[in-house]
Amino acid sequence: AQSVSQHNHHVILSEAASLELGCNYSYGGTVNLFWYVQYPGQHLQLLLKYFSGDPLVKGIKGFEAEFIKSKFSFNLRKPSVQWSDTAEYFCAVKEGNNNDMRFGAGTRLTVKP
Amino acid sequence: GAVVSQHPSWVICKSGTSVKIECRSLDFQATTMFWYRQFPKQSLMLMATSNEGSKATYEQGVEKDKFLINHASLTLSTLTVTSAHPEDSSFYICSARLAGAQSEQFFGPGTRLTVL
Repeated sequence: AQSVSQHNHHVILSEAASLELGCNYSYGGTVNLFWYVQYPGQHLQLLLKYFSGDPLVKGIKGFEAEFIKSKFSFNLRKPSVQWSDTAEYFCAVKEGNNNDMRFGAGTRLTVKP
Repeated sequence: GAVVSQHPSWVICKSGTSVKIECRSLDFQATTMFWYRQFPKQSLMLMATSNEGSKATYEQGVEKDKFLINHASLTLSTLTVTSAHPEDSSFYICSARLAGAQSEQFFGPGTRLTVL
């Protein structure tokens, strides 16, 4: 069965620090990849997605992610985090044309002002 | 982006009662809706996938007789937790998607269920 792994459970950074959150998946076929953010008390919002084409994907709020097929990875990055980026971040994978989306366990990001 | 609403946002009920949660796509027609369960400090676990007008497909380990899903129209899906018990207390999140497997999924705000 497909699985999605997020390596960091809780990341604490100071403002202006660079961020990289890891995400690996186990499925070997065609995948669609997503990063979602969940701010405290709010619903999931899509940060960015990869379906095909350029493996470096740019999303909202200065986030980007790189799909490395050989490593089965889709790490999320941001060069300089802000206090307002404090949230839970979820990586999600959808197999090819399958309906359902599988989520990683999530990484809580705390940015200290 | 498209908006998905859930009602109620939170509910407290007694053990043994049934609770219905509604999920609506407000400004688009959702051919497929998904129901997830999220435990505290954990990820979303897919419970079931439903397509309008057909029976829901449940994930392994999810009791279909306990978690009844009805996708009656292109804008409404309901999840009924029957004979709820304290272990059913959780955060339930629905998601809706337009036709096409590559369409984006939009998530509702979730419903907090507490069973006493």
